Amino acid sequence: GIQVEQSPPDLILQEGANSTLRCNFSDSVNNLQWFHQNPWGQLINLFYIPSGTKQNGRLSATTVATERYSLLYISSSQTTDSGVYFCAASARQLTFGSGTQLTVLP
Amino acid sequence: GAGVSQSPRYKVAKRGQDVALRCDPISGHVSLFWYQQALGQGPEFLTYFQNEAQLDKSGLPSDRFFAERPEGSVSTLKIQRTQQEDSAVYLCASSLGSATGELFFGEGSRLTVL
Repeated sequence: GIQVEQSPPDLILQEGANSTLRCNFSDSVNNLQWFHQNPWGQLINLFYIPSGTKQNGRLSATTVATERYSLLYISSSQTTDSGVYFCAASARQLTFGSGTQLTVLP
Repeated sequence: GAGVSQSPRYKVAKRGQDVALRCDPISGHVSLFWYQQALGQGPEFLTYFQNEAQLDKSGLPSDRFFAERPEGSVSTLKIQRTQQEDSAVYLCASSLGSATGELFFGEGSRLTVL
C-alpha cells in the first residue's frame, strides 16, 4: 500500500513564528487531507487537498501531486495551534503518516 | 446529526471480555470507516463500508474483530475475547460519497484492556 512520511516529527516554535510541515507519499493519490488532532484526541479537518493550493486564515496547504508531496503552512503561530498534525493520503483507503508534534510556546 | 458520534467514549474491559463500539455517522453519508490509533501513532485503517456493504476489511488485525452496518447507517465494531494489545482509540469516520472523498472523524472510543 501507499507510504506516507511526515517531517519533522517534532517542532517547537515561539508564538508568532511561521512553520512548514511536509508530507511525502509514495504513489499517486486521489485524496489527501491534513488534520489537527486536538488534546482530546479528535481529528479536526484542516484541508482536503489532493492537488493545488488552499488557504484558511493563518493556515494554507499546497499539494504537488506529480511530485508526491504536500506542505502545510502555519503563519503567526499561536499556543492553540499546539498538537499533532497528520497528513493522510489514499488511492483507496486513507493512510496516515506518523504526524508532526507541534508545540507553540508563549 | 451534525457530526460523527461514537459511544462509549471510554471503555475498560477485562482481558477475555467482548466489547462493542458504536458509530453514528453524519446523516446521509454513504461511506463509513473504522480506524485504530495506538498511543503516539497515526490512525491505522481497519475496515470500510459503502452503505451496508463491507467492501474492505483488510485492516482487521484478527478474526476476533468484526464490524457491521446492517442498515447502512449506524455501525458497530465488535471485539471478541479482548487482549491487552487491543488497547487503543478506535476512530470512526464517514464521507458523503466514495472512499476517496473527504473524511470526517468522530471523537473516538478509548478502549483499555486490563
